[in-house]
Amino acid sequence: DQQVKQNSPSLSVQEGRISILNCDYTNSMFDYFLWYKKYPAEGPTFLISISSIKDKNEDGRFTVFLNKSAKHLSLHIVPSQPGDSAVYFCAASEKGRDDKIIFGKGTRLHILP
Amino acid sequence: ETGVTQTPRHLVMGMTNKKSLKCEQHLGHNAMYWYKQSAKKPLELMFVYNFKEQTENNSVPSRFSPECPNSSHLFLHLHTLQPEDSALYLCASSQDMRGANEKLFFGSGTQLSVL
Repeated sequence: DQQVKQNSPSLSVQEGRISILNCDYTNSMFDYFLWYKKYPAEGPTFLISISSIKDKNEDGRFTVFLNKSAKHLSLHIVPSQPGDSAVYFCAASEKGRDDKIIFGKGTRLHILP
Repeated sequence: ETGVTQTPRHLVMGMTNKKSLKCEQHLGHNAMYWYKQSAKKPLELMFVYNFKEQTENNSVPSRFSPECPNSSHLFLHLHTLQPEDSALYLCASSQDMRGANEKLFFGSGTQLSVL
């Protein structure tokens, strides 16, 4: 049973527009959420995170929103750039279990010229 | 360059072979991890080591055997694998599991094919 779900395997967005990647989770004990980005032939790299005490965290073009009541988070990228084309993984960890980060399946983002 | 180096990048092995994957981190971290990424599946945590001690074994078959001789090196010994074990094996490290909300730093992975 997947605790972290990314229901869209892929997403295509025009360059310059906003990319919105979604993630749902089922475990109410999760208190920290992360987004990782992965290019082909490379390992995932950390992008942005949010603690459950916040509902928004912004870092440049990247903003993560957390809706705890809906157990939903989203990553907004604006404006989208060609270099943003990658697979994006949503991940979560439980309070006191920082050694066990649970990942979603990932969403492949294509930025169209 | 993330500071986590994995070798080899690609590995093809038969079901009767014995091989080892190697991971080295140059970040001074205390925790190291093995993850498995199969096609169309989430990254699956396999093993966790903190200060060289194994703290997590996520129900991994015994044909996968980890070894952590020191905080900078992690191995995954492979023996009599099955074709379904073909996947991308990712090593990661983090500063310290005792701290809250540690970020993982991943290597580039070893793409394993079992014939």
